Amino acid sequence: DTAVSQTPKYLVTQMGNDKSIKCEQNLGHDTMYWYKQDSKKFLKIMFSYNNKELIINETVPNRFSPKSPDKAHLNLHINSLELGDSAVYFCASSQVGAWQFFGPGTRLTVL
Amino acid sequence: KNEVEQSPQNLTAQEGEFITINCSYSVGISALHWLQQHPGGGIVSLFMLSSGKKKHGRLIATINIQEKHSSLHITASHPRDSAVYICAVNPTGTASKLTFGTGTRLQVTL
Repeated sequence: DTAVSQTPKYLVTQMGNDKSIKCEQNLGHDTMYWYKQDSKKFLKIMFSYNNKELIINETVPNRFSPKSPDKAHLNLHINSLELGDSAVYFCASSQVGAWQFFGPGTRLTVL
Repeated sequence: KNEVEQSPQNLTAQEGEFITINCSYSVGISALHWLQQHPGGGIVSLFMLSSGKKKHGRLIATINIQEKHSSLHITASHPRDSAVYICAVNPTGTASKLTFGTGTRLQVTL
């Protein structure tokens, strides 16, 4: 009965690989987000989707491509992984203008 | 300079103490959020407010829109309150976007 779930929880991979992180919410929310938390624990928004439409794209390299097959899912695909992509990635969801529910995070380590 | 500044960065308190964490922001906002990040990494929304004051259990959040300032208070602090507390704002006209402060790490000891 988890509200916002992400898979995998941990991801360790080599530089240059392509990987995906999946997010699902069962709250019936219209809006979903991807955030990146860097090594200094600073959170920054990457993308936001509302009803499967991209509404926020915050100067993220185009190696990162979000995909929302339906409003309950928002996946993040990363091409040609770099060392600097190592971080914790959080998915979240909300109704527009309401507070957000966060997933447990995916810790990505690029070697 | 970050649009959202928090102070202090680190805070150590003894059990039972009254705690205040401050947040100042430099942009127009539609709402301000307080979040808690547990030592295990999970993030929980505590408050969302656009005016006045809200209370939930031992937690109180206040906001002064004119002064662009918010405070999070914890009464009768307990070791289980140990976490990182993060202030975030919805800049005006961006209902969905959150801009985050750098967080305040709170340690409550026995």
